[in-house]
Amino acid sequence: GAVVSQHPSRVICKSGTSVKIECRSLDFQATTMFWYRQFPKKSLMLMATSNEGSKATYEQGVEKDKFLINHASLTLSTLTVTSAHPEDSSFYICSARGPPPGEAFFGQGTRLTVV
Amino acid sequence: AQSVTQLGSHVSVSEGALVLLRCNYSSSVPPYLFWYVQYPNQGLQLLLKYTSAATLVKGINGFEAEFKKSETSFHLTKPSAHMSDAAEYFCAVSGGSEKLVFGKGTKLTVNP
Repeated sequence: GAVVSQHPSRVICKSGTSVKIECRSLDFQATTMFWYRQFPKKSLMLMATSNEGSKATYEQGVEKDKFLINHASLTLSTLTVTSAHPEDSSFYICSARGPPPGEAFFGQGTRLTVV
Repeated sequence: AQSVTQLGSHVSVSEGALVLLRCNYSSSVPPYLFWYVQYPNQGLQLLLKYTSAATLVKGINGFEAEFKKSETSFHLTKPSAHMSDAAEYFCAVSGGSEKLVFGKGTKLTVNP
C-alpha cells in the first residue's frame, strides 16, 4: 500500500516554543491530508483538513493560530504547534487519502511532549 | 452526517478464542466502512474496508467483517486470536467525502 511518512516520531520542547511536524506521502500525490490529535485512551479527533495550495479547513474548536497547517506541495503537509503549552502534549497523526472510497494511509504519528 | 459507535472499550479473549469487536454506524448516505488497528505509539494500519461490493469483507491477519445494513453494523471478527492481535482497533465511516469519522476504539487484550 501507499506510504505516508511523518517526522519526527517523538519531540520534547519547552513551553512557549514552536514545533513543526512534517507529513509526506512517499509514493502518491495527496491533494488532501488530514491532521488528527489523539488523547490517551481516546479516539482520533480530526483537527483540520489540509488542501494543497489553499488554506486548511479547521474543525470547530481548533485554534487556527495555534495549529498552523501548510500544504505547499502534493506530497508535503506540515503542522506547526505555536507557543506550545503542556496541554498541547499529545499524539498527532497525519493521514492522506485518495479519491473516495479509497482508504486513508496514516503516518506513524508524533508524540509531542511540552515541558 | 456520519457517526460510529464501538461497543466495549476493552475486550479480553484467550489465545485461540474467537475475537468479536462490535461497530455500529450511522450515515445519511450509503457508507464506506473501515477497520483500522493501532499498536502503541504508532499510526493506524488498515485491516479491511467495505465499499459497497461484497458484504462480507476479508482483511489482513485473518480478520473479516460483515456489513449488515438492516442492523447498521460492521462487526470485526477473527476465528482464533493470536497474542500479536493485542492492540487498539478503530472502526471508521465515510459518507463519500474524504473525511473519516472514527469510533472511540476498542482495546483488545489476548490472554495466554
